[in-house]
Amino acid sequence: EAQVTQNPRYLITVTGKKLTVTCSQNMNHEYMSWYRQDPGLGLRQIYYSMNVEVTDKGDVPEGYKVSRKEKRNFPLILESPSPNQTSLYFCASSGLASGANVLTFGAGSRLTVL
Amino acid sequence: AQSVTQLDSQVPVFEEAPVELRCNYSSSVSVYLFWYVQYPNQGLQLLLKYLSGSTLVESINGFEAEFNKSQTSFHLRKPSVHISDTAEYFCAVSPISGGYNKLIFGAGTRLAVHP
Repeated sequence: EAQVTQNPRYLITVTGKKLTVTCSQNMNHEYMSWYRQDPGLGLRQIYYSMNVEVTDKGDVPEGYKVSRKEKRNFPLILESPSPNQTSLYFCASSGLASGANVLTFGAGSRLTVL
Repeated sequence: AQSVTQLDSQVPVFEEAPVELRCNYSSSVSVYLFWYVQYPNQGLQLLLKYLSGSTLVESINGFEAEFNKSQTSFHLRKPSVHISDTAEYFCAVSPISGGYNKLIFGAGTRLAVHP
């Protein structure tokens, strides 16, 4: 089954404790991205990657890092989480073959930073 | 730059009634248009998209949306809703040129269908 898998689905952590949210896709998609969803704000793009070793900032990149060492994986790293990073995070992917900007989303990772 | 405005944050409606979820966008370049749906505790799923051609696009579960370029709108409609349509709906746009993987979302409209 074609899918985007995120882990963990739920996480509670404390300020300053580094964490990584993993994302993996099995569709051989070139493009991957991370979004955060906050009430009343919709989804905002954090980082995106157009292919292996090619990443760029989205609209709200502060406090986040990403890497794309393999085509299927695109982890999101919070080096020193803060309470304002409490949010629902989505990883998404899309491929050239599927046409314009049709994203497949993961199920989401709900992060709480105390 | 692009922006998307969903005019209603919540829309309550009774089962079998018609519904319209409104979406307006602003962009200095041509865009593709999308509606995504998010069911409770799930990720977003593509509902329908407008890329080119006929301005009226339809989904497999009875929703339709019409692209109106002069009014920069892409409203979503369904003539008769079901309880199972209860979800949050997001309108999104993407620049046609150089915009792969770049979607700009509206704030979402929560559709609540009551029996």
